[in-house]
Parts: sequence; C-alpha cells; structure tokens
Amino acid sequence: DGGITQSPKYLFRKEGQNVTLSCEQNLNHDAMYWYRQDPGQGLRLIYYSQIVNDFQKGDIAEGYSVSREKKESFPLTVTSAQKNPTAFYLCASRMGGWGNQPQHFGDGTRLSIL
Amino acid sequence: AQSVTQLDSQVPVFEEAPVELRCNYSSSVSVYLFWYVQYPNQGLQLLLKYLSGSTLVKGINGFEAEFNKSQTSFHLRKPSVHISDTAEYFCAVSEWGAQKLVFGQGTRLTINP
Repeated sequence: DGGITQSPKYLFRKEGQNVTLSCEQNLNHDAMYWYRQDPGQGLRLIYYSQIVNDFQKGDIAEGYSVSREKKESFPLTVTSAQKNPTAFYLCASRMGGWGNQPQHFGDGTRLSIL
Repeated sequence: AQSVTQLDSQVPVFEEAPVELRCNYSSSVSVYLFWYVQYPNQGLQLLLKYLSGSTLVKGINGFEAEFNKSQTSFHLRKPSVHISDTAEYFCAVSEWGAQKLVFGQGTRLTINP
C-alpha cells in the first residue's frame, strides 16, 4: 500500500544535540511538508518542498533544517538552536496542482527532551 | 492572507446525537476546503473536501459538510455520532494556486455514552 512512513515514532534529544526525523513516501507525490503540532495550537508549517533540491521556509523554520535530495525523502533536522523542540512532528505529501489536491499525512514522530 | 477559525475548541455530545463542528475562513480569492480527523497519536486523515460544484459534500464515516460562500463557512455535520468518532477535527483552506494549507486550531469531539 502506498503511504508515508515516519520514523522513529518516539525520539529523545539531549541538550545541544541535533536529531533527524525521517519521512519517506511512495505515493510519487511532488510536494512534501513538515508540521509541528503542539496542544491547542493546531498545525504549524516548518518547511515545504515542491521539487527535488528545492525547499521553502514555513512559518516556524528557525532551529530546523531540511533536505530534498530524492523525491521520496524529506528528512527534518531539529538543531540545538531550537530551544523548545518538544512536540509532535507530522510529515505530509501532496500531488502537484493548484491547491486542490489534499495532503496525505504520516503517523508522526513525538520528540521529547531528556 | 487566508485564515481559518474553528469556533469551538471542544464539543461534548452524547452517543447517537447529531453534531456540528463549525469552521469559518477568510480569503479574498477562490478557495478549496478540507476537513481532517486525527485519532490519538496518529496523523491526519482526510474526511472530505470541497473543490467546486455542489455545496454539500459527503465524506467518510457518515460525515458531511456544507460550503457557504456568503458566510465564508464550511461546517462539518454528522446526524448520529458513535463512540469511535472521538477524535480531533481540523478544518483547512487552500487558495487557488497556493502550495500551502492553512489549518484551524482544531476541535476536540468527545462522545459520551
């Protein structure tokens, strides 16, 4: 079955450490997205990518970095500059289009501070 | 700029009762509208979408929504809820040509037996 795989499901970060969250899709979608979810705040966009080797900052990009070397993969690195990284992180993908295609989501990674 | 407001952060209802989750949006251009459901510790699943045409849209799990352009609303309804509908529901809007979705803050639906 086609879908989006996020790993790991749970991740712990030590002070000063960078961690990388994996997101892989086999839907042949062009666009991929990373969101952060905090209780009561809905979803906030971190980064998105419409095409391989290109990506744009979302609303809360500070302290995060991404790469898009392959169409299927869009890893997110939470750097030590992100002072409050504890959250639920969701990856999504979407077929290209003019805004009328829905986004499909993975099952998320929950990141906590040790 | 587009924005989405979900008017209720929590909605408690009894099992088999009807429910309406309210969503209003703001945009100066044509929009596409979506409702998603999120069960605990999972990602979001698409319930339904409005792209064009009939303003009454039917989705999965017995949900439906009505697009009202004059009131800029897209309320979600179900005539009879079940315990399994307990989840968080998100309304989202995308403008024509836009690459991003804008989400509301979410409404937590709690079903009491």
